[in-house]
Amino acid sequence: AQSVTQLGSHVSVSEGALVLLRCNYSSSVPPYLFWYVQYPNQGLQLLLKYTTGATLVKGINGFEAEFKKSETSFHLTKPSAHMSDAAEYFCAVSAVGRRALTFGSGTRLQVQP
Amino acid sequence: DAGITQSPRYKITETGRQVTLMCHQTWSHSYMFWYRQDLGHGLRLIYYSAAADITDKGEVPDGYVVSRSKTENFPLTLESATRSQTSVYFCASSDSSGNTIYFGEGSWLTVV
Repeated sequence: AQSVTQLGSHVSVSEGALVLLRCNYSSSVPPYLFWYVQYPNQGLQLLLKYTTGATLVKGINGFEAEFKKSETSFHLTKPSAHMSDAAEYFCAVSAVGRRALTFGSGTRLQVQP
Repeated sequence: DAGITQSPRYKITETGRQVTLMCHQTWSHSYMFWYRQDLGHGLRLIYYSAAADITDKGEVPDGYVVSRSKTENFPLTLESATRSQTSVYFCASSDSSGNTIYFGEGSWLTVV
């Protein structure tokens, strides 16, 4: 069984500040980990993913995430927030050999001017 | 590059009616999925399909029916719509590696 916990349903940061969105997962087998972003009234866009190899993963729009097996975490960060980063962010996990994703409940990021 | 398309994008229907949401992908991906998105729940898997004529239940399958006669199409049918099925429905697809899942733009369904 797999599950994902996103800490904080709403996060607010100032423009230019560090963005940190937290994600913890549980999986009985080696996981694939994903972050998706959703803008209002749109579908989900892949930000980045970890499958194997380097544990620090860089994605689009300046985001990155680090897979920490010992902490079962895959937190999303961006050094400097931009107004256009305001959106909902979803962490998701799938297990090797299982194609379907299990999603967290999402974190809405608000960026203050 | 059409990718993955859903129709209709917006639908209002009455309780008890049958509704079919269509999903079409142009990549010949083997895997296709249906998720529903509800506030506070993220996305939950309804059904998925590994190939034509192979489907399986996800986390919340009750009240839904799927079929996959062709690789590119994966329709989702609500046989008798209920208000609790008011949601945003997302279709998705991936190749056999499962490394990346691509999502459609969603179908907003309201059951009154």
